Amino acid sequence: SQQGEEDPQALSIQEGENATMNCSYKTSINNLQWYRQNSGRGLVHLILIRSNEREKHSGRLRVTLDTSKKSSSLLITASRAADTASYFCATSAGYSTLTFGKGTMLLVSP
Amino acid sequence: DADVTQTPRNRITKTGKRIMLECSQTKGHDRMYWYRQDPGLGLRLIYYSFDVKDINKGEISDGYSVSRQAQAKFSLSLESAIPNQTALYFCATSAQGFTDTQYFGPGTRLTVL
Repeated sequence: SQQGEEDPQALSIQEGENATMNCSYKTSINNLQWYRQNSGRGLVHLILIRSNEREKHSGRLRVTLDTSKKSSSLLITASRAADTASYFCATSAGYSTLTFGKGTMLLVSP
Repeated sequence: DADVTQTPRNRITKTGKRIMLECSQTKGHDRMYWYRQDPGLGLRLIYYSFDVKDINKGEISDGYSVSRQAQAKFSLSLESAIPNQTALYFCATSAQGFTDTQYFGPGTRLTVL
């Protein structure tokens, strides 16, 4: 069963705008990760946030985690056409496997 | 060179055929994974291995088998392919267990006719 669920399923913005994607999950987690997938290619790890962290930054990426609401958000600032991809959240809980959501498809138009 | 490689990259086969997908990694990781991706369903775990002597079933192992030939090699076999196994297959590795970052190969697009 899918632990993480991304929202929205698809997002279309213009270059320079910010993009925000959300992930909700069902059970307590050890950490939450975000991955990017360019069309038909392998996933690339973007950022990992631990359950005791609330916010983390990496370049133009900002991830927040609210364990009380069982949700996370990924913010991409000043989007570029090259950011066009699908974005997945993945959660790990206890000793269980890493579980991926269904992804958000982001389209950034020039 | 890529750290995680998969062969073949594309494969078209017929129902009932046995096929093998191969994965090699140069990252020196003990943990390796096989996933399949179907449109709209995200990634689902097929099998995983924490070392050469350790093989574990994932969420959707029926119809698949694996072999961990060495630390660097992890193969996925479809003993008798069926059309609903048409999907994109990914191999991944990690240094630690499930809490760690996973590194993905480029994928194998498999079509079963």
